[in-house]
Amino acid sequence: EAQVTQNPRYLITVTGKKLTVTCSQNMNHEYMSWYRQDPGLGLRQIYYSMNVEVTDKGDVPEGYKVSRKEKRNFPLILESPSPNQTSLYFCASSRGGQKTQYFGPGTRLLVL
Amino acid sequence: AQSVTQLGSHVSVSEGALVLLRCNYSSSVPPYLFWYVQYPNQGLQLLLKYTSAATLVKGINGFEAEFKKSETSFHLTKPSAHMSDAAEYFCAVSAGGTSYGKLTFGQGTILTVHP
Repeated sequence: EAQVTQNPRYLITVTGKKLTVTCSQNMNHEYMSWYRQDPGLGLRQIYYSMNVEVTDKGDVPEGYKVSRKEKRNFPLILESPSPNQTSLYFCASSRGGQKTQYFGPGTRLLVL
Repeated sequence: AQSVTQLGSHVSVSEGALVLLRCNYSSSVPPYLFWYVQYPNQGLQLLLKYTSAATLVKGINGFEAEFKKSETSFHLTKPSAHMSDAAEYFCAVSAGGTSYGKLTFGQGTILTVHP
């Protein structure tokens, strides 16, 4: 089954404790992207990747890191999480930057 | 630069009534436009997209949208609402050019359908 998977689905952590949210797709898509969703703000793009080893900032990259060492994986790293990063995070993939994006199920993060 | 504005954070209709969700965009280059739907506790799925072909785009579940360049709009409509249409809807723009790869979403519109 074609899908985008994210782990973990739910995470509670404390300020400053490094964490990684994994994202994997099995559709051989070149393009992958991370978003955060906050009430009243819609989805905002954090980082995106056009292909392996090619990443670029979205609209809200501060406090986040990404890497794209393999085509199928695009982890999101919070090196020192803060409470304002409490949010619902979505990973997505597509065949190209302007193609239909396929979304993962989301990761709900709470930073205390 | 690209941006999206969705007019109305909440829209309420009766079952069988017309659904109209408004979306206006700003883009310095010809845009690709999308409508996504999010059901409770789920990710987003594509309803329809405009990619510079026909200006009237038909999507899944009876939804359609019309691209109007002069009004910079891409409103979503459905002639007759169904209870299962209750969800949050997001309009998004991908403008290409120097913004290629960036996808900007609107704030979302929650659709409620009353019996």
